[in-house]
Amino acid sequence: AQSVTQLDSQVPVFEEAPVELRCNYSSSVSVYLFWYVQYPNQGLQLLLKYLSGSTLVKGINGFEAEFNKSQTSFHLRKPSVHISDTAEYFCAVIAGGSYIPTFGRGTSLIVHP
Amino acid sequence: SAVISQKPSRDICQRGTSLTIQCQVDSQVTMMFWYRQQPGQSLTLIATANQGSEATYESGFVIDKFPISRPNLTFSTLTVSNMSPEDSSIYLCSVDEGGDTEAFFGQGTRLTVV
Repeated sequence: AQSVTQLDSQVPVFEEAPVELRCNYSSSVSVYLFWYVQYPNQGLQLLLKYLSGSTLVKGINGFEAEFNKSQTSFHLRKPSVHISDTAEYFCAVIAGGSYIPTFGRGTSLIVHP
Repeated sequence: SAVISQKPSRDICQRGTSLTIQCQVDSQVTMMFWYRQQPGQSLTLIATANQGSEATYESGFVIDKFPISRPNLTFSTLTVSNMSPEDSSIYLCSVDEGGDTEAFFGQGTRLTVV
């Protein structure tokens, strides 16, 4: 079985500061990893995904994430956040053979001016 | 990519009534899913909507409470039946072809049961 843990339910940060949103997964087989963002009153949209190859993945809006197999982590980072990055962020995993993603609880990123 | 239109976007309903949520996709897709998103909780999969057959429900969800239709490859409905305040949540429609492809989501239906 696969599972996803997002360690922080809420991350407050000031504008232009760096941010890291943490995600750890549990799976005994190979995985595909995703980060989604949900703006208020909207559905989820894909930020980035890791399928294979380079462990550093770049996504939209200046976000990137690094896959660390030994630590079973896929943390999301941005070097300088904007007010518009305020949203809910979800980490998700698909383990080998499955077609349904398992989502974490989400992390609320709150960017203060 | 897929564009998903979900309606209504929100509704306030009386307990004991039912609400049907519609999900329209701009292309034919094999896999359609319905999720529930409760505050502070992860997305919980309710069921997989199968075209031409009954939906496949996850543990804790039953057809009598959440009947689903999938008449073709671009459309599905989810009904929340005999609602109670505990059903207040956001309901999301999603399509996903599986494996290394990403999931696409509708904008969600915010349901409040009073």
